[in-house]
Amino acid sequence: AQSVSQHNHHVILSEAASLELGCNYSYGGTVNLFWYVQYPGQHLQLLLKYFSGDPLVKGIKGFEAEFIKSKFSFNLRKPSVQWSDTAEYFCAVNVQGGNTGKLIFGQGTTLQVKP
Amino acid sequence: GAVVSQHPSRVICKSGTSVKIECRSLDFQATTMFWYRQFPKKSLMLMATSNEGSKATYEQGVEKDKFLINHASLTLSTLTVTSAHPEDSSFYICSARDIGTRQFFGPGTRLTVL
Repeated sequence: AQSVSQHNHHVILSEAASLELGCNYSYGGTVNLFWYVQYPGQHLQLLLKYFSGDPLVKGIKGFEAEFIKSKFSFNLRKPSVQWSDTAEYFCAVNVQGGNTGKLIFGQGTTLQVKP
Repeated sequence: GAVVSQHPSRVICKSGTSVKIECRSLDFQATTMFWYRQFPKKSLMLMATSNEGSKATYEQGVEKDKFLINHASLTLSTLTVTSAHPEDSSFYICSARDIGTRQFFGPGTRLTVL
């Protein structure tokens, strides 16, 4: 069965620090990859996604992620975080060609940015 | 962007009662909706896929008779937690997929069973 693993459960950073959140998945076939963010009290929002093409994808609010197929990874990065980036971040995988739409989520990473 | 609403946002009920949660796509038609459960400090767990006009597809380990799903129209899916017990207390989130592959999430419903 497919699974998604996020290595960092709770990350605390100061403003302007750089961010990298790890995400690995287990599936040998072709996948679509997503990062979602859940701000306090709000619903899940899509940060960015990778379907095909350039493995370095840029999302909203200065976030980017790199798909490394050989490592089954899709790490999220941001060069300089802001206090407003404090939120829960979820990596998710959708298997192409299967029951499209089914998302398998990682455990989530809580990011706390100190002003 | 597309909006998905859920009603109610939070509900408290007594053990043994049934609770219905609505998920609506407000500005698009969704042939497929998904229901997730989110435990505190845990990931979202897919419970079932709701298809308009047909029976829902449940994930392994999810009791279909306990979590009744009805997707009667292209903009509404309902999840009914029947004979709720304290262990059913959780945060339930729905998502709706538009005609493409984009999926939009609702704000969630906090269920507390006393």
